[in-house]
Amino acid sequence: ETGVTQSPTHLIKTRGQQVTLRCSSQSGHNTVSWYQQALGQGPQFIFQYYREEENGRGNFPPRFSGLQFPNYSSELNVNALELDDSALYLCASNRKNTGELFFGEGSRLTVL
Amino acid sequence: ELKVEQNPLFLSMQEGKNYTIYCNYSTTSDRLYWYRQDPGKSLESLFVLLSNGAVKQEGRLMASLDTKARLSTLHITAAVHDLSATYFCAVDNYGGSQGNLIFGKGTKLSVKP
Repeated sequence: ETGVTQSPTHLIKTRGQQVTLRCSSQSGHNTVSWYQQALGQGPQFIFQYYREEENGRGNFPPRFSGLQFPNYSSELNVNALELDDSALYLCASNRKNTGELFFGEGSRLTVL
Repeated sequence: ELKVEQNPLFLSMQEGKNYTIYCNYSTTSDRLYWYRQDPGKSLESLFVLLSNGAVKQEGRLMASLDTKARLSTLHITAAVHDLSATYFCAVDNYGGSQGNLIFGKGTKLSVKP
């Protein structure tokens, strides 16, 4: 049990739409990171939040945005969806003082 | 730019055999991680290696780290079918925020009877 939960598990959207993915982690996990994993590839870092502020960003356009809330939950928002956004989106959380990164079960997004 | 390369990308093994997966990375990094992923599932943390010469073992899997060679290995001993999965190594993106990992492409392991 990683202590990181994500919702929804699966969703289907059409090109141009917007999507919000959610993640919650336990007390003691002080950062949250989001990753995109395309089929057959390794996960790619999107961004990270620490104390409700963005604290690092990968090579993703501004239409990928996020929020972190005081209750250890987080959102990933993607606007103007493109076909290539179809992927597994993973939320990960650091356990304080160990640096170990735990992943949630992921949200699988299909863009038609 | 930090790059992480794994080899082989595909590995078909017979049960009972030994094999090693290699992970090379291009620049200095503080930590190296190994994860397992089953089809359609998320990433399961296997090992975190923190220093040169670190060796960790869990069951039939053993991971080691040589920071001077920028190389980590994941050794599989006497493989069993349950080890079939994709294995990823990842390193901290040095200079980036904690939790910013660069992953290899993964090694898809298939263990056959």
